[in-house]
Amino acid sequence: QVQLQESGPGLVKPSETLSLVCTVSGGSLNNYHWGWIRQPPGKGLEWIGYIYYSGATNYNPSLKSRVTISVDTSRNQFSLELTSVTAADTAIYYCARDYGGNYVFDYWGQGTLVTVSS
Amino acid sequence: DIVVTQTPLSLSVTPGQPASISCKSSQSPLHSDGRTYLYWYLQKAGQPPQLLIYEVSNRFSGVPDRVSGSGSGTDFTLKISRVEAEDVGTYYCMYALHVRTFGQGTKVEIK
Repeated sequence: QVQLQESGPGLVKPSETLSLVCTVSGGSLNNYHWGWIRQPPGKGLEWIGYIYYSGATNYNPSLKSRVTISVDTSRNQFSLELTSVTAADTAIYYCARDYGGNYVFDYWGQGTLVTVSS
Repeated sequence: DIVVTQTPLSLSVTPGQPASISCKSSQSPLHSDGRTYLYWYLQKAGQPPQLLIYEVSNRFSGVPDRVSGSGSGTDFTLKISRVEAEDVGTYYCMYALHVRTFGQGTKVEIK
């Protein structure tokens, strides 16, 4: 059973960089895309981007200038960096297994709330 | 940019009655490989979303057969033939051809 777990600071100051890591257990990163999705409190889902295990990325155009997703296959982890954050970036951040030939987002982490505040 | 529009945004359904949610995308999620990358998810309170339907009409593992998806082109529908208490939550459709774009969500509650 594949499991994903997000980790990182729950509080980030405005203008700083939000950094999260997703650790995957029960399966390999190989041959899959891996993604980040966020959800502001009480609102809908917003796709942030995905990375293929080899390192190729695709980002939401609305966030592209501020987002970097990277992968570390040796640790079975992938990461999210979002720069120059504002209060509008306050959200629950989810990592999920993206496409591997069959399904998109079949496995999700439980999510981690990141609050942007001074 | 791709825009995905769901209607209605909320539904109140009597147990045992049907429910239907519409999803319209600004572009077709049909790939040159012949597959249509339109997905449906259910998010229950306090939980991450869970996959219900992939590629328009295919039920994911464990999804009951009273849940079905249909559609083509840019118009898609999720139907629940007989709503049960476990169906409560917010339903999202998602366009997944190259990029991913979610609809606004449809909140389903029991009357």
